[in-house]
Amino acid sequence: RKEVEQDPGPFNVPEGATVAFNCTYSNSASQSFFWYRQDCRKEPKLLMSVYSSGNEDGRFTAQLNRASQYISLLIRDSKLSDSATYLCGWGDYKLSFGAGTTVTVRA
Amino acid sequence: DAGITQSPRYKITETGRQVTLMCHQTWSHSYMFWYRQDLGHGLRLIYYSAAADITDKGEVPDGYVVSRSKTENFPLTLESATRSQTSVYFCASSDLAGGTDTQYFGPGTRLTVL
Repeated sequence: RKEVEQDPGPFNVPEGATVAFNCTYSNSASQSFFWYRQDCRKEPKLLMSVYSSGNEDGRFTAQLNRASQYISLLIRDSKLSDSATYLCGWGDYKLSFGAGTTVTVRA
Repeated sequence: DAGITQSPRYKITETGRQVTLMCHQTWSHSYMFWYRQDLGHGLRLIYYSAAADITDKGEVPDGYVVSRSKTENFPLTLESATRSQTSVYFCASSDLAGGTDTQYFGPGTRLTVL
């Protein structure tokens, strides 16, 4: 089983909608988790770190469920500018990444 | 603050040629990484380095060589390029010595091997 599995989507949602997706991991010893955003095959950019029970940054909420071994990202009040691919990353000093979840927000 | 840069940004080469991709960071981060990204595979780790003169293999190291004589530079060499090495290559760095394992990525190099 791949270390990190991610729903590829695509999620096609209207502006203002809420969208959520998960990333499952197989190594229960995982210490650090991240969500990165990637636009059009440009470099991934850190969106949020998820270190304990969860993180909230404006319209974005990331949560960690250690019992079920997954992290999630929820985007509230979606904007057109949220259209991107979201990569989950797991690890400590080196990271493994999911293949990404594509989100398209339509007007 | 330049951060992390990669050169060249685009490269077209032929099968069998040697190619070197450059990565330079201005943060003095201890760790540096090379990834390749292909459709359907996400980011795959090629090599990483914990410090100058310390390197180790990642998930897909075959056909690649790295070196790190200075903290700020981490070049990746394709010794004899193959078509399967056509990809987008990202360099990243992290400041683990400073207590964070967050990785910051360079802008990428798009490599085409004909």
